[in-house]
Amino acid sequence: AQTVTQSQPEMSVQEAETVTLSCTYDTSENNYYLFWYKQPPSRQMILVIRQEAYKQQNATENRFSVNFQKAAKSFSLKISDSQLGDTAMYFCAFMKPQGAQKLVFGQGTRLTINP
Amino acid sequence: EAGVAQSPRYKIIEKRQSVAFWCNPISGHATLYWYQQILGQGPKLLIQFQNNGVVDDSQLPKDRFSAERLKGVDSTLKIQPAKLEDSAVYLCASSPVNLGYEQYFGPGTRLTVT
Repeated sequence: AQTVTQSQPEMSVQEAETVTLSCTYDTSENNYYLFWYKQPPSRQMILVIRQEAYKQQNATENRFSVNFQKAAKSFSLKISDSQLGDTAMYFCAFMKPQGAQKLVFGQGTRLTINP
Repeated sequence: EAGVAQSPRYKIIEKRQSVAFWCNPISGHATLYWYQQILGQGPKLLIQFQNNGVVDDSQLPKDRFSAERLKGVDSTLKIQPAKLEDSAVYLCASSPVNLGYEQYFGPGTRLTVT
């Protein structure tokens, strides 16, 4: 079974700083997807960024980028020029592309951006 | 495009009572997911439908939880009887068929069992 671990329960940075959230996972699969989701107090899960394991190039979405290290089974999220609206819970998730395409989530990191 | 709709947003019940949650997925999305998110944890899949058939319900406590997706559109998740440990946020998500990496989530229902 796949597992996802986020070792940072909470993080806090000043507005405009750069912050990196860590995620490791365990799988015997060679092909899979990795995700970072944002969950603000409204509870709605919002997709931040997605990475396909067979792609060597790290995914980027505006101020959000990932560092995907397949051999190390590491998938960190970097938020540049952080904004107050980035304050939320962030979840790392894994998904196999075959069979039941369910998301397996980590425990989450609570990120606070301070003014 | 309308997103995933869920109701109610909040529900408070006493233990041993029953409760039902409703989800309306994005139009045209064949796959529907119910996740349970206990406070302080990440969501966990309870059940996955493709159209009106069950794909995965391995983590659904079938002695008290049931779910249906009649006509392959709306879905209802029921708990009977509820236990204190069922207090959680219940998230519904949907995706196009075989595109599970395109899951869109609803706002969730927060259940408190007292």
